[in-house]
Amino acid sequence: DAKTTQPNSMESNEEEPVHLPCNHSTISGTDYIHWYRQLPSQGPEYVIHGLTSNVNNRMASLAIAEDRKSSTLILHRATLRDAAVYYCILRDGNKLVFGAGTILRVKS
Amino acid sequence: NAGVTQTPKFRVLKTGQSMTLLCAQDMNHEYMYWYRQDPGMGLRLIHYSVGEGTTAKGEVPDGYNVSRLKKQNFLLGLESAAPSQTSVYFCASSYRTTGTYNEQFFGPGTRLTVL
Repeated sequence: DAKTTQPNSMESNEEEPVHLPCNHSTISGTDYIHWYRQLPSQGPEYVIHGLTSNVNNRMASLAIAEDRKSSTLILHRATLRDAAVYYCILRDGNKLVFGAGTILRVKS
Repeated sequence: NAGVTQTPKFRVLKTGQSMTLLCAQDMNHEYMYWYRQDPGMGLRLIHYSVGEGTTAKGEVPDGYNVSRLKKQNFLLGLESAAPSQTSVYFCASSYRTTGTYNEQFFGPGTRLTVL
């Protein structure tokens, strides 16, 4: 399975942008990059996904490097409700392989 | 829509006891999954199902059995619980993989403690 590498934790101030990095140097040409997040005491929830081009949705933006060996999840204005564990995942067929993720702390 | 629901929310077992966790989804999803999450770790796939009557092993299947008799339900069984199975269990469901989009919807989890 292709693996991802993320920082253990990051901290952000409320109302400021947050850039969460992910390295996936062994990604194959057909691997989609998925981001999920897990709020405290809840199940994970989908955030965004992409293949080659940058993607935007109501929750976040996903910037994918030209060589696809890394990507960055961008939260444009962090709120206290964005404090969660963020997982960068390369899908393996119909399965998601989760790493430990990045714990995002948001300070008011 | 209720989405993905799990029963029970909490359970304490003694070593050697058995139990069944129930997952139900009302989104008409073909695929369903069972994961476990240990403290400080990401989720690990136990078993999954790509349709009614079919199941397959995931990353950590030992000690668990599953059944998918109805499309909307996916059962996870522990025949003889062990302390190593103390964990939070999450169920998820998704539409059939189309090659592009395969969002998984997760339930709220079941916290299981085995003494």
